Amino acid sequence: KNQVEQSPQSLIILEGKNCTLQCNYTVSPFSNLRWYKQDTGRGPVSLTIMTFSENTKSNGRYTATLDADTKQSSLHITASQLSDSASYICVVSPAHSGGYNKLIFGAGTRLAVHP
Amino acid sequence: AAGVIQSPRHLIKEKRETATLKCYPIPRHDTVYWYQQGPGQDPQFLISFYEKMQSDKGSIPDRFSAQQFSDYHSELNMSSLELGDSALYFCASSLGSAGSSGNTIYFGEGSWLTVV
Repeated sequence: KNQVEQSPQSLIILEGKNCTLQCNYTVSPFSNLRWYKQDTGRGPVSLTIMTFSENTKSNGRYTATLDADTKQSSLHITASQLSDSASYICVVSPAHSGGYNKLIFGAGTRLAVHP
Repeated sequence: AAGVIQSPRHLIKEKRETATLKCYPIPRHDTVYWYQQGPGQDPQFLISFYEKMQSDKGSIPDRFSAQQFSDYHSELNMSSLELGDSALYFCASSLGSAGSSGNTIYFGEGSWLTVV
């Protein structure tokens, strides 16, 4: 079982609409949770970084939330644009010796924004 | 601003050959990570280096080796290539460890390796 699970696997929305992507993780203890945007065949680009003590973090039209008790995070995209079409990946860093430089990736949610 | 530079961007090798991928981190970054992303799969952690020393090891096959040089660039050496090694290989860098929040990890554009 993957330690970081994302839902939905794929999502289609119309331009201008909002959407929310989900991430559930079992990594414990964890140091921080990151959301990345990855265009096909390109390197992931960082959107937000949150520690276990943070509940929300915004970056423009992207807002991430974190509930460390339930081990859930969400990424909310407002007023979607065609350029938001990409995979959104939830990434968790373990907080234990020997794991400080490991990133555990979710499978991502493939978002398609249609005009 | 300078980003993480990877070379080559594309590489085609035959089975049992050897390949070397290079990664040049963002200047002053002391940590380098290597990830392998197979077709339709999420990136898998291979190995990381901090200050030229191996810091963490993931699912890196014994046929692969890597090192970080004095100028902080890193190379991933892959020998006895197999068809299953065909993937996009990402290098990433950061100032400080991934476990330290606030340390943004920057990814390169990746190196496409095709084994035929």
